[in-house]
Formats: sequence, C-alpha cells, structure tokens
Amino acid sequence: DVKVTQSSRYLVKRTGEKVFLECVQDMDHENMFWYRQDPGLGLRLIYFSYDVKMKEKGDIPEGYSVSREKKERFSLILESASTNQTSMYLCASRTKRGGPNQPQHFGDGTRLSIL
Amino acid sequence: AQSVAQPEDQVNVAEGNPLTVKCTYSVSGNPYLFWYVQYPNRGLQFLLKYITGDNLVKGSYGFEAEFNKSQTSFHLKKPSALVSDSALYFCAVRDLRGGANNLFFGTGTRLTVIP
Repeated sequence: DVKVTQSSRYLVKRTGEKVFLECVQDMDHENMFWYRQDPGLGLRLIYFSYDVKMKEKGDIPEGYSVSREKKERFSLILESASTNQTSMYLCASRTKRGGPNQPQHFGDGTRLSIL
Repeated sequence: AQSVAQPEDQVNVAEGNPLTVKCTYSVSGNPYLFWYVQYPNRGLQFLLKYITGDNLVKGSYGFEAEFNKSQTSFHLKKPSALVSDSALYFCAVRDLRGGANNLFFGTGTRLTVIP
C-alpha cells in the first residue's frame, strides 16, 4: 500500500512565525500536492510538483511556498504565518505510470492553528 | 472551466436503506471523475473512478457510482448503508489545467447513517 506520511498531526504556531509542514511518500511517485481543507470549501490546491525540483502554483498559493529537493519529500512553507492560515493541510501523491487516471493518495493531514 | 458540485451538505439515511450522494460536473471534453471518502481525523481515501466505458463503476466497500452523460452527473450509491459508512464524501474531476493531472474537488457531503 502507498504510504503518505505527514510529520505532524497537530501543530500550534504564532503569527509571524515561519512554519514548515513535511510530507513523505514511499512509492516513488512523481507527482505531489498540497491542499488545505476548510469547512464548506472542500479541498483547495495550494501547490503541486511534477517531479523533483519542479513546482507549480495551485489555486491559492499566496502566503505559501514549497520545496521538493528529493523525490519522496514535499515541504510546504508558510513564510510568515497568519491567523487566516489556520486550517487542515493535506498532502497527496500520485504516480504518472499508467496514465492520467491514477488516483491521488493522501496523508492523514496536519491540523495547523495559528495564534 | 471544469468544476464539480455536490448539492447536499448533509445526507441522512437509516441503516440498511440504500444511499445516494449526488455529484454533478461541468467539463469540456471527456470527464475523468473520482469519489473519495474521509473518515474523522484521517486523510482522503480513494473509492472509485470513471474514465471511460461502462456507466456503472464499482469501487471499494460496496460503493458504486453511475455516470450519466446527459445529466452530467456521477452519483455515488450503495444498496444497503452501514453505520460505518458515516463519513465525509468528496467528488472530484480531473483538472485539465495542470500537467500533473490535478483534481478539482467538490465541497463535500457529510453522510450520516442512523442505526
């Protein structure tokens, strides 16, 4: 089974801090994604990565950046945390092998609170 | 632009009764459609997908979904609901904008199965 591991289940940070959320997958997947999940809004894509060292903005990239130095690891960075970034953050990965119909596999999420 | 809509925020059904969770889509071209389930404090789990072919798609945990091109719908169904099916369900469509085959998610439907 695919395993997507997010380093923290719960995280509390202060306004203005630089926050790192880490995600690791063990299936050699090329594509990785960061979403935030908010009630009534579903999942919104923040950033994604086609492959190592490649990144693209999603629908809501403002206030975030990402890093993908190794294939298995995709980090989300909040440059200067703000209270409106309090949310559930979900990481996902998928393989390119087998074409565009391969599903995404998700981690269990990090619930981030910014005080 | 492609999108999905889940018209019901909440669906309640009695245990043993059939259940339906609704999803409609809007895409240019052929749709790639997915259903995911999220249990409390967990990430999303893939249930099933429609790419092409048979309009009735079978997935995990006894769920199935019916693709209807004329009604642009992809409703999730199960003949007999279990209490353990209570969860948050997301419909998603392949996002054509991204080369990583991103998904565009609906806002989710909370299913409650009443014992």
